[in-house]
Amino acid sequence: GAVVSQHPSWVICKSGTSVKIECRSLDFQATTMFWYRQFPKQSLMLMATSNEGSKATYEQGVEKDKFLINHASLTLSTLTVTSAHPEDSSFYICSARDRGSVGELFFGEGSRLTVL
Amino acid sequence: GENVEQHPSTLSVQEGDSAVIKCTYSDSASNYFPWYKQELGKRPQLIIDIRSNVGEKKDQRIAVTLNKTAKHFSLHITETQPEDSAVYFCAAVGWNTGFQKLVFGTGTRLLVSP
Repeated sequence: GAVVSQHPSWVICKSGTSVKIECRSLDFQATTMFWYRQFPKQSLMLMATSNEGSKATYEQGVEKDKFLINHASLTLSTLTVTSAHPEDSSFYICSARDRGSVGELFFGEGSRLTVL
Repeated sequence: GENVEQHPSTLSVQEGDSAVIKCTYSDSASNYFPWYKQELGKRPQLIIDIRSNVGEKKDQRIAVTLNKTAKHFSLHITETQPEDSAVYFCAAVGWNTGFQKLVFGTGTRLLVSP
């Protein structure tokens, strides 16, 4: 199946710093990628839809200035958590759909962010 | 927008028993319903999915049923094994400004005891 790679898998940072997470589709092109956040023992909550070549669409309650999303190519989307605080500590997962298919999403490995 | 509810939140069964997880959705326009298995600290893995043009789909020990009229769908696991222990999420596609996005249920923690 299609492969989505996410990096880094783990990141620990100090409060106030910014962290960038990359999501790459390795063997397919993805015009749309999705960023989810998952708190311990909870479900995946959609944060935003990343659209190649245009602005991301954010879900209600998600601060676009805090979670910067860039989708500069058909295989790469980045999520930058700006001025991170401890409450931003979470598991962030990206997903992508092959632009030639309908339905199945492929997930990255996830990135566990810990803000001290 | 789409809202997906999932029950139960936890499910404990003995090895060899069957397990059933149920989900309901709100958006009648949804047409794709995947189920994911997630082990601790890992990415969700698609285990089975169903489209709205069929009522049932089976893959070895796993089956999914869909009732479009009632807007609910269920996951059935037969002859459960300890390695089936994980968190299972249902999801439904909700349409939003032309882009499809999955809305997940709250998850079911399945524990299969030997």
